[in-house]
Amino acid sequence: QKEVEQNSGPLSVPEGAIASLNCTYSDRGSQSFFWYRQYSGKSPELIMSIYSNGDKEDGRFTAQLNKASQYVSLLIRDSQPSDSATYLCAVDTDKLIFGTGTRLQVFP
Amino acid sequence: DAMVIQNPRYQVTQFGKPVTLSCSQTLNHNVMYWYQQKSSQAPKLLFHYYDKDFNNEADTPDNFQSRRPNTSFCFLDIRSPGLGDAAMYLCATSTPRAAQNEKLFFGSGTQLSVL
Repeated sequence: QKEVEQNSGPLSVPEGAIASLNCTYSDRGSQSFFWYRQYSGKSPELIMSIYSNGDKEDGRFTAQLNKASQYVSLLIRDSQPSDSATYLCAVDTDKLIFGTGTRLQVFP
Repeated sequence: DAMVIQNPRYQVTQFGKPVTLSCSQTLNHNVMYWYQQKSSQAPKLLFHYYDKDFNNEADTPDNFQSRRPNTSFCFLDIRSPGLGDAAMYLCATSTPRAAQNEKLFFGSGTQLSVL
């Protein structure tokens, strides 16, 4: 069983729409959760971290965590073509485990 | 003002020819990691150092070795690269775990091709 699961996509949304990215994890003891953005051929870049149940907002990004259901999500409001990238979910157990990422395409 | 620097950006080697990838950091972080990322896959942790303490992942092949001569530098040695070792190799650093605040700082990566 994969430890961190994401839909590989691509998820295609029009410019200005809300993009919703989801991630589930298997280790109930996980305490820290991260979203990284990775452009093609580049290294991952941290965009959000969340540690407590509920929502955390930062600009156009909102991370949502539900530990009981073992899922974490990322909402991107007012999506822009520059948001087109792969979004990696990462979960901290005794080490940081990455999902395979969801490819997001924002079209004009 | 890059904080985690990987050289080279692209590396081409021949099948079976040893290759070394390098990473340096200006953050003075205790922990340094090496990840391998193949196309459309998740970054996979190969090993990490906590100061000089080396921690090898159980499924990291013996073909991969690492050295950390000081806080700032870390090297990944691939003794006999195979075609399956072609990947992006990512170096990352972090401060020690503290109150849920561990974040990874990635270098730009080295894309390794094996001919």
